[in-house]
Amino acid sequence: NAGVTQTPKFQVLKTGQSMTLQCAQDMNHEYMSWYRQDPGMGLRLIHYSVGAGITDQGEVPNGYNVSRSTTEDFPLRLLSAAPSQTSVYFCASSYAPSTGFSYYEQYFGPGTRLTVT
Amino acid sequence: GQQVMQIPQYQHVQEGEDFTTYCNSSTTLSNIQWYKQRPGGHPVFLIQLVKSGEVKKQKRLTFQFGEAKKNSSLHITATQTTDVGTYFCAGRVNTGFQKLVFGTGTRLLVSP
Repeated sequence: NAGVTQTPKFQVLKTGQSMTLQCAQDMNHEYMSWYRQDPGMGLRLIHYSVGAGITDQGEVPNGYNVSRSTTEDFPLRLLSAAPSQTSVYFCASSYAPSTGFSYYEQYFGPGTRLTVT
Repeated sequence: GQQVMQIPQYQHVQEGEDFTTYCNSSTTLSNIQWYKQRPGGHPVFLIQLVKSGEVKKQKRLTFQFGEAKKNSSLHITATQTTDVGTYFCAGRVNTGFQKLVFGTGTRLLVSP
């Protein structure tokens, strides 16, 4: 199993450009999420999904869109990049039974380092 | 705002010294998870605590969950250079939907 994969590993954007960060998992996990990591801020939840066709906002959703058409894929779209979106982005997945996903460990992808100039 | 804080933010120890990081929440947590992130890497799950007052050990690592389920600690005995990294706690808050809130992290540096 590849686990959670993310592409690209590095990306430089100019202000106003758009792009999509890709995330895929092969563990048949229902729950998938996107985090951003900034120095001193820990990991902050952007968007999450509890299954195909179901998404919701996390703590810092502004400027980002997501969709979940399959169990395996959960892309993150930046509509109009801003310097404040310079960060490291992690995708994570976990098993999510009816008792709640947060009782199960989250598997993280290797991350995408994004710089917006 | 951030509901789960960790202290210290950074600690530098000599190999062989002990290390402790503390995780404090403003609200009661249903559970607490601990993750380790090596420099340049991604967070990796270490352990989960669910019960009030629970203590778990993994070799030189000891994890505790407070009686009030608002705080937790990770203690490393006799640190090694392989312990270098950032340690995050993450807890499920009882308010709102079922999301995991991550702490701010403690970066550990170990000198040989």
